[in-house]
Order: sequence, then structure tokens, then C-alpha cells
Amino acid sequence: AQSVTQLGSHVSVSEGALVLLRCNYSSSVPPYLFWYVQYPNQGLQLLLKYTSAATLVKGINGFEAEFKKSETSFHLTKPSAHMSDAAEYFCAVRRSGNTPLVFGKGTRLSVIA
Amino acid sequence: NAGVTQTPKFQVLKTGQSMTLQCAQDMNHNSMYWYRQDPGMGLRLIYYSASEGTTDKGEVPNGYNVSRLNKREFSLRLESAAPSQTSVYFCASSLGQVTGETQYFGPGTRLLVL
Repeated sequence: AQSVTQLGSHVSVSEGALVLLRCNYSSSVPPYLFWYVQYPNQGLQLLLKYTSAATLVKGINGFEAEFKKSETSFHLTKPSAHMSDAAEYFCAVRRSGNTPLVFGKGTRLSVIA
Repeated sequence: NAGVTQTPKFQVLKTGQSMTLQCAQDMNHNSMYWYRQDPGMGLRLIYYSASEGTTDKGEVPNGYNVSRLNKREFSLRLESAAPSQTSVYFCASSLGQVTGETQYFGPGTRLLVL
């Protein structure tokens, strides 16, 4: 069964520092991969998605992620953290076919002034 | 265009009570989903409806039932609530249930079962 593993349930960075949130997937076929963000007391919204068009995917709010098949990874990065980036981030996978999204357990990002 | 709406926003139940969580979308989407979110567990799929007239179990269906009332509405029912069902429930929808389709989420319903 396909799954995603997010390394680190909580990541803390200083304002202006690099943000790196890790996601590894297990899948026997190339998957479709997503990053969602959840701000406090809100629903989830899409940050970016990989659908095999390009390995480097740019999303909203300056985030990007790179699909690396050899490492089965889809890590999320942002060059410079802002206080408004504090939220919970979820990686999700869907294999081609008629299957729903499978979510990782989430990583809470704290940004320190 | 409200997107995905959920009612109620917050509910307190006693063990054994029943209730229905309502979800509606106005994006003409075919597929709808119910998830629960618990600390440290991420989002887990309860039930989904790939298209109007169909429903399927997800990862954690026990204790829940669903109804796809029409293309817009997908309700989740707890027949006899248990404390283990205390959670935040999210409804989502997508145009289809294939590959790269984006899922859009509602704001959630916080349920506390005493």
C-alpha cells in the first residue's frame, strides 16, 4: 500500500532561515504528490503538487518542492521563513488510478522571531 | 462561490447520542470525502464518494455512515457516539478522483464526545 512518511513532527526555524520539511513516499509506481498547509483553526489548502510534468514544483507563498525518484522524496523548501509560515504541513500521495489521497502525519512548523 | 461548507462548526455530544455532520460544495465536483484529524495521526479517510450514487469505505469507517444526498451534499452520521470519535472532521471535494486532481477542504467540524 502506498504511504508517506514525514520526518519530524515539529520543526522550528528562525525568521529568515531556510525551511526544509521532509517527505518520503513508498510506492511501486510513480505517484502524484501533494503538499497541503493548515493554518490554525482552518481547513487544509493546497501549497503545490507534482503530477510528473516537472520535478521542481513551485507553489504559493514562495514554497517549492523537488521530486527525487531515486530517493523517493518530495521535500518542501522555502529560502526564507516568515512568521506567517507558522502552520501544519501535510504531504500526501495518490497513485495513478481511482484511489483517494493518503496523508502523512503532518509537520508543525514554528517560526521564531 | 463558498467552496466547501460544513455544519456545525462545533458540537458536544454525550456518549450514545447520534448526529449528522453536513457538507456541501458548490464547485460542481464529482467526488467528496470525509476525514478525521487527530493529534499526531494526520488525516485519515473515513468514507468517500467517487461520484453521485456511490460511496466507499476508507481507512477508519467503523462507527460511521454516509449519504451522498445529491451531487452537492455528502453527510456523515454517527449513530451512537463514543469518546473515541472526539476529533476534528473535514469534508473535501475534488472534480474527479483521478491522479493529479486537487482536493478542496472545508473549515472543519470540531466534535467532542463526553
